Amino acid sequence: AQSVTQPDIHITVSEGASLELRCNYSYGATPYLFWYVQSPGQGLQLLLKYFSGDTLVQGIKGFEAEFKRSQSSFNLRKPSVHWSDAAEYFCAVFTGGGNKLTFGTGTQLKVEL
Amino acid sequence: NAGVMQNPRHLVRRRGQEARLRCSPMKGHSHVYWYRQLPEEGLKFMVYLQKENIIDESGMPKERFSAEFPKEGPSILRIQQVVRGDSAAYFCASSLDRVPYEQYFGPGTRLTVT
Repeated sequence: AQSVTQPDIHITVSEGASLELRCNYSYGATPYLFWYVQSPGQGLQLLLKYFSGDTLVQGIKGFEAEFKRSQSSFNLRKPSVHWSDAAEYFCAVFTGGGNKLTFGTGTQLKVEL
Repeated sequence: NAGVMQNPRHLVRRRGQEARLRCSPMKGHSHVYWYRQLPEEGLKFMVYLQKENIIDESGMPKERFSAEFPKEGPSILRIQQVVRGDSAAYFCASSLDRVPYEQYFGPGTRLTVT
């Protein structure tokens, strides 16, 4: 069965520092991968997605992610974090069999000023 | 172009009452998905519906929970005889028929059972 692991529950970075959030997936076929961001009390906003092609994908708000098949990873990165990036980030994989998204447990990002 | 609408945003129910959560998909979207987010957890798939049909309900608890997406009107997630463990955020998402992997989420309904 498919699964998504986000090993870091909480991460704290200083404003202006670089960020990398880890995501590993387990899925037999070629995955469709997503990163979502959830601000407190809000719904989920799609940051970026990977279906095929170039393994480095660009998203909104200056985020990017790199798909590495050999490592079953899809890590999210940002070169310089802003205080407004503080939120919870979810990695997800789409499984075509049931048209469902399988989510990781999320990483809570705190930004220190 | 309005996004996915959910109401109410917050719902408080006493144990044993019924909870009805509504979801209006984005215009033109014919697929609706419900996910549940328990405290300190990620979102878990519950059910996938198309107009008048339940396609996949593998994530729905076997008892007390039901969902529908009628020909007219919003999708409804119904929880009968709520218990404290039902307290969670319930998110609805919708997609176009040809791109089911691009799911747009609503703001969620936060259910509190007292």
